[in-house]
Amino acid sequence: KAGVTQTPRYLIKTRGQQVTLSCSPISGHRSVSWYQQTPGQGLQFLFEYFSETQRNKGNFPGRFSGRQFSNSRSEMNVSTLELGDSALYLCASSFRGGIGRAGANVLTFGAGSRLTVL
Amino acid sequence: AQKVTQAQTEISVVEKEDVTLDCVYETRDTTYYLFWYKQPPSGELVFLIRRNSFDEQNEISGRYSWNFQKSTSSFNFTITASQVVDSAVYFCALSEFTGGFKTIFGAGTRLFVKA
Repeated sequence: KAGVTQTPRYLIKTRGQQVTLSCSPISGHRSVSWYQQTPGQGLQFLFEYFSETQRNKGNFPGRFSGRQFSNSRSEMNVSTLELGDSALYLCASSFRGGIGRAGANVLTFGAGSRLTVL
Repeated sequence: AQKVTQAQTEISVVEKEDVTLDCVYETRDTTYYLFWYKQPPSGELVFLIRRNSFDEQNEISGRYSWNFQKSTSSFNFTITASQVVDSAVYFCALSEFTGGFKTIFGAGTRLFVKA
């Protein structure tokens, strides 16, 4: 079973540019969550998508956006990049079931996309 | 509001020592999940264990054990006879059902196991 695939793995951008990151979840997983990981702030929740709908959003400015496609693949976009956006962006997929369901809500993470903003 | 606190930033032990990683959580929900994840130096986060709020049974899996106590809102993780390969950052996480699926993580505890 293929894992969660994130592309690109590394990228360098300059301030003011925008970036799009892609995430392909595990087959059968319909929930995709995005996180930003930095040494100072740890793992910060960005948003979660399920069946093409954003169900939850973290405390990030509107420059951070995302979407999910009908095949559950997801993208996140950061516009007008700032130096502070340099981070590891992690995508995680999950089979989202009810309480007690085996594997429900367990996040399987991708390797991440490391963004450097110069 | 959800909150996960891992008060220990870094722990250093010598191989074969036992080590306990602490996790305290806050939630207003009666239905929730708790997790532990491991992030080795290679970087990829790996799931270790999940507990739901109705299951306070503690668990032992090999050298790992977990102690879930709702009365103190704690979900602690113990590694017995630690090994160098246990060196990693360990994250405690909380997932609630209210308002959609959202899992938040503690700040993580970096464990160094020295040979």
